[in-house]
Amino acid sequence: DTAVSQTPKYLVTQMGNDKSIKCEQNLGHDTMYWYKQDSKKFLKIMFSYNNKELIINETVPNRFSPKSPDKAHLNLHINSLELGDSAVYFCASSLRVSEGNEQFFGPGTRLTVL
Amino acid sequence: SQQGEEDPQALSIQEGENATMNCSYKTSINNLQWYRQNSGRGLVHLILIRSNEREKHSGRLRVTLDTSKKSSSLLITASRAADTASYFCATGLPGAGDKLIFGTGTRLQVFP
Repeated sequence: DTAVSQTPKYLVTQMGNDKSIKCEQNLGHDTMYWYKQDSKKFLKIMFSYNNKELIINETVPNRFSPKSPDKAHLNLHINSLELGDSAVYFCASSLRVSEGNEQFFGPGTRLTVL
Repeated sequence: SQQGEEDPQALSIQEGENATMNCSYKTSINNLQWYRQNSGRGLVHLILIRSNEREKHSGRLRVTLDTSKKSSSLLITASRAADTASYFCATGLPGAGDKLIFGTGTRLQVFP
């Protein structure tokens, strides 16, 4: 059974379009995250939600809007896609990292903006 | 700038050899974690070491932490071709809640 799942796995779209990526976790975790991994494999946190509440927002353009309908889901909507948005986006979830817990990652969504 | 810098950026070894990867960071931490990423896949947690610990073992993995030097190392003993992956350190910072800052990663290639 998949612990953290993301859809779609691949997303190819034109500049200016709006797209969404969905994430679900069945681990019962309170905290969920979105990361962006660029072509150099640099992994950077974008957002974190705890029990549907936004906790971390790392200076991400407001074209990116996370939405958490419940604590098992954290979706990422991107408006007016740009070439620089091309990357792999990872969803993750965890219990409290500050208490020594690990993060569990989804398989990633490779976004290509043409 | 990046909290975690890893060294080397890339490492190639033969099966059976040991692989050592190093991570340096800049600020105080609660814990430091190591993750592996196979090509085209998500990250998988390997091991966590708390700031008050100096060494930890898990199977063929050995992690050390030197908070005075703000550095950690990951040793994989008796490497296998299946260990080929990218390895990332990630630091949990005090007062940062559940945020992890990931390092730049080391690409390990193990040749059969």
